[in-house]
Amino acid sequence: GDSVTQMEGPVTLSEEAFLTINCTYTATGYPSLFWYVQYPGEGLQLLLKATKADDKGSNKGFEATYRKETTSFHLEKGSVQVSDSAVYFCALTSSGTYKYIFGTGTRLKVLA
Amino acid sequence: DTAVSQTPKYLVTQMGNDKSIKCEQNLGHDTMYWYKQDSKKFLKIMFSYNNKELIINETVPNRFSPKSPDKAHLNLHINSLELGDSAVYFCASSLQGGNYEQYFGPGTRLTVT
Repeated sequence: GDSVTQMEGPVTLSEEAFLTINCTYTATGYPSLFWYVQYPGEGLQLLLKATKADDKGSNKGFEATYRKETTSFHLEKGSVQVSDSAVYFCALTSSGTYKYIFGTGTRLKVLA
Repeated sequence: DTAVSQTPKYLVTQMGNDKSIKCEQNLGHDTMYWYKQDSKKFLKIMFSYNNKELIINETVPNRFSPKSPDKAHLNLHINSLELGDSAVYFCASSLQGGNYEQYFGPGTRLTVT
């Protein structure tokens, strides 16, 4: 079945450091890929998405590129802030289904 | 206006009790979901409804019974609560199934003592 694998956290960075959170997937067909962010005590919010190969999703300085050849959707940010501290989830869904597959989440902690 | 709302936000109850969580979305979406998030933040889908019809039931004990009175509401009733039911429960909605993003509610933290 479809699956999403994320790097385990926690990831601890200093402010202004470069961030990469790895995400790889297995899926039949051509899924859409998402990154969601969960701040403490809140629900998940969509951060960015990509619906086909080579698409780049971006939002709030975060980027991720849908790489079909490596089945990856790694999240990157050039300079993290303390306010980026949260749990990040990679997810996929496929056309015609009602099921989203989420990764296990990666906790990011940014220190001032 | 809150897009996806849940009530209550916190629920503390004893083993064996029955409780309900309510969810409403004002986005005009067709599809709604219930998720359970454990203490390690692992997110597990429980149910999915499309236009009030049950689409996904992910091996959830039959003590959990969802109910969708209309497209905008999806409630979750839990009978005979157990300690292992303690978790955060999230409601979500999407325009339809497939490639659409989900919008999540703020969560209901259920604690069973």
